[in-house]
Amino acid sequence: EDKVVQSPLSLVVHEGDTVTLNCSYEVTNFRSLLWYKQEKKAPTFLFMLTSSGIEKKSGRLSSILDKKELFSILNITATQTGDSAIYLCAVEPPHGGATNKLIFGTGTLLAVQP
Amino acid sequence: EAQVTQNPRYLITVTGKKLTVTCSQNMNHEYMSWYRQDPGLGLRQIYYSMNVEVTDKGDVPEGYKVSRKEKRNFPLILESPSPNQTSLYFCASMENTEAFFGQGTRLTVV
Repeated sequence: EDKVVQSPLSLVVHEGDTVTLNCSYEVTNFRSLLWYKQEKKAPTFLFMLTSSGIEKKSGRLSSILDKKELFSILNITATQTGDSAIYLCAVEPPHGGATNKLIFGTGTLLAVQP
Repeated sequence: EAQVTQNPRYLITVTGKKLTVTCSQNMNHEYMSWYRQDPGLGLRQIYYSMNVEVTDKGDVPEGYKVSRKEKRNFPLILESPSPNQTSLYFCASMENTEAFFGQGTRLTVV
């Protein structure tokens, strides 16, 4: 059964800290891995990763994929209180199944304290 | 502005009273999906639709129905809601893997 596991489940840090969120998956030959940030409302898109070893960056956020070890990490440097959110990882299964289907992990709840 | 609109945002209802949560997208996407989000379980897919008149079950379809009579709308129907359907529901519209989510509907069934 396809599975996406995120760790830790929750994390409390102080402003300025650097955090690393983990996502491991049991979906072989997947198409892509995605990261979303969910604050009080709907998840918003952060990154899509398809190639192993290529880091994607957006400001203080970065993410990288390891297809061999089947995991991805999301790094946030110099955290701010506005980074407090649930971070969701999702994997898209390969072609042959339903296209555009996403399998979500349970999410990591990040709380950044002032 | 590209968006997915869900209504209502909040709903409290009683067991057995039929309800519909509407979802509309203005991006002309073919693929739409409904998820429910529960603590410790993440987002789980209820139903999805790959195009007009094409719908299929996701991972947790029991107790739900959907329809896709036109491309922009994908309502979620609970014919006889039960308390275990109390959850946060998201509609999503997708193209090339990127999902655009509605604002969510928090449903409580008492």
